[in-house]
Amino acid sequence: EIVLTQSPATLSLSPGERATLSCRASQSVGYSLAWYQQKPGQAPRLVIYEASSRAAGLPARFSGSGSGRDFTLTISSLEPEDSAVYYCQHRVDWPPTFGGGTKVEIQ
Amino acid sequence: EGQLLESGGHLVQPGGSLRLSCAASGFTFNNYAMHWVRQAPGKGLECVAYISGASSTTYYTDPVRGRFTVSRDNSKSTLYLQMDTLRAEDTALYFCAKARNTYGAFDIWGQGAMVTVSS
Repeated sequence: EIVLTQSPATLSLSPGERATLSCRASQSVGYSLAWYQQKPGQAPRLVIYEASSRAAGLPARFSGSGSGRDFTLTISSLEPEDSAVYYCQHRVDWPPTFGGGTKVEIQ
Repeated sequence: EGQLLESGGHLVQPGGSLRLSCAASGFTFNNYAMHWVRQAPGKGLECVAYISGASSTTYYTDPVRGRFTVSRDNSKSTLYLQMDTLRAEDTALYFCAKARNTYGAFDIWGQGAMVTVSS
């Protein structure tokens, strides 16, 4: 089973600042990495798929990069509505595991 | 834009059974693989079951294998999760999710069905 490790656990930033979230896989997953946003009381929402493709309806301030074992989700200029937990997930094989999540707090 | 709507969540005693349903709309259901993902209170996400579009392939995560059964009725655009021999550690919010393609990310999620296993 592929283990995904996310860092940091919590990110506290101000509106307008840049957020950089990391996800490291225990083995290479190529480009088969997705990012999800989950707000309290809601289902997860797809943000990025195939490492760098932005999901429909997501603003351009969200971007993804990386390949192999190391991936990054960047929110270029934080808005208050970006406050959420962000999870990475691989789609190489079964089970498609998730990372432990990074909580983004907007101060 | 497709939608998924789960139902069937309930309080059940340890050792009991429950069946969750997930009704799909807005996309051609039989063309897509489907997953069940659970989230224990205050915890992260765990994918527990997979079924291919034609039901020819199913996968389960180790903690639920032999106790849970995933199925689908493409004529009704509905996904199911039969959960038997339930344990306290199965307490979670259960989401159904549609994959973009066979090995694709999950682009549509339901709102979740809460399953509580307690005496």
